[in-house]
Amino acid sequence: DTGVSQNPRHKITKRGQNVTFRCDPISEHNRLYWYRQTLGQGPEFLTYFQNEAQLEKSRLLSDRFSAERPKGSFSTLEIQRTEQGDSAMYLCASSFWASTVPYEQYFGPGTRLTVT
Amino acid sequence: ELKVEQNPLFLSMQEGKNYTIYCNYSTTSDRLYWYRQDPGKSLESLFVLLSNGAVKQEGRLMASLDTKARLSTLHITAAVHDLSATYFCAVDGYTQNYGGATNKLIFGTGTLLAVQP
Repeated sequence: DTGVSQNPRHKITKRGQNVTFRCDPISEHNRLYWYRQTLGQGPEFLTYFQNEAQLEKSRLLSDRFSAERPKGSFSTLEIQRTEQGDSAMYLCASSFWASTVPYEQYFGPGTRLTVT
Repeated sequence: ELKVEQNPLFLSMQEGKNYTIYCNYSTTSDRLYWYRQDPGKSLESLFVLLSNGAVKQEGRLMASLDTKARLSTLHITAAVHDLSATYFCAVDGYTQNYGGATNKLIFGTGTLLAVQP
């Protein structure tokens, strides 16, 4: 396993269309995070999963956004009725979490979304 | 709400010079991370600082953490062009949730470092 992978790497879509991104974490990692990064800014937390359970969602995650992690493996992030403001880099990260054990999040290459 | 501020936002420096990037955060946290990002690329982990007084060094970069001052520094020694990138600090935005600690990362705005020959 070489790391976190994301597909597609780039997505161009028209406003109003739905898009879905996929993230495959490092295999032994039980936590998976989604972040969004706009140009010139640091990544912002969107949501995270521990195994298959989605445990927290940011207020940035509007009703048009939905994320799943069936069976605690890969995750998908879907955006419905895309808007130009959704244009950003969507980053996925994974980590192994157990109690207070120090951990590190490993990031995937990201999916760059452009909404025209 | 936890906030993370970095300064400077942009740093142009000559090869061979030394400089420091500062990262201040607004609430108690004892876990801080430094990442590097090249244009159009994802984030590469540089340092994980887990306690007050922690200092880590890798090549020309050295990071330190002062949890009492809520301050981390990234020191660059004898800069070379290959260090040109955007550097982010991120604080562990620990929140207790019914599923356990969230440990979401709260990032600073980044410091764009340009090393000139």
